[in-house]
Amino acid sequence: KAGVTQTPRYLIKTRGQQVTLSCSPISGHRSVSWYQQTPGQGLQFLFEYFSETQRNKGNFPGRFSGRQFSNSRSEMNVSTLELGDSALYLCASSLAVAGGVNEQYFGPGTRLTVT
Amino acid sequence: AQTVTQSQPEMSVQEAETVTLSCTYDTSESDYYLFWYKQPPSRQMILVIRQEAYKQQNATENRFSVNFQKAAKSFSLKISDSQLGDAAMYFCAYISTVNNDMRFGAGTRLTVKP
Repeated sequence: KAGVTQTPRYLIKTRGQQVTLSCSPISGHRSVSWYQQTPGQGLQFLFEYFSETQRNKGNFPGRFSGRQFSNSRSEMNVSTLELGDSALYLCASSLAVAGGVNEQYFGPGTRLTVT
Repeated sequence: AQTVTQSQPEMSVQEAETVTLSCTYDTSESDYYLFWYKQPPSRQMILVIRQEAYKQQNATENRFSVNFQKAAKSFSLKISDSQLGDAAMYFCAYISTVNNDMRFGAGTRLTVKP
């Protein structure tokens, strides 16, 4: 089975711009979660999508949004980019079986640099 | 809210020796899962080991084992016969059976000395 893929792998944007990141989960996985990883804040949960619905949301401003498509692929959007948005954005997928062990499988991440 | 604490920002171990990474968590739930993830430099995060809270037996995966103390809310990772390839950032993580919101600790950077 192919792993979680994320595109693009690297991105450089300017303050004020917007960006869209993409994540394709492992085949059969219905849940996709997004995380922001920075040296100062560590791994912070952004949101989780399951069956095209946002099921959980972390403590991030509304500039951060996402969606999930019927094939479970997910996109994350950040509008009005700020310098502090520079980070590694990780996507993780899981089976999300009720009562099951839903370990998450991570993609390689998208390294976003805001200048 | 659940929190995960890793009190050791950095650890160092000699090759072939044993090292233990600490993790504590706070939760009011009785059923949950705990994980250790490894993130090598500039490489993908991978799952090392997992523990179901309802199981008393400590999980083991080859050279990796955990010491799960549910009452103390402690979940440490022991790496035996450390290898150079074990050098990485290690994250302890908690996930509830109620939702899929995984909480991570701040991570422990493990250095393996030859």
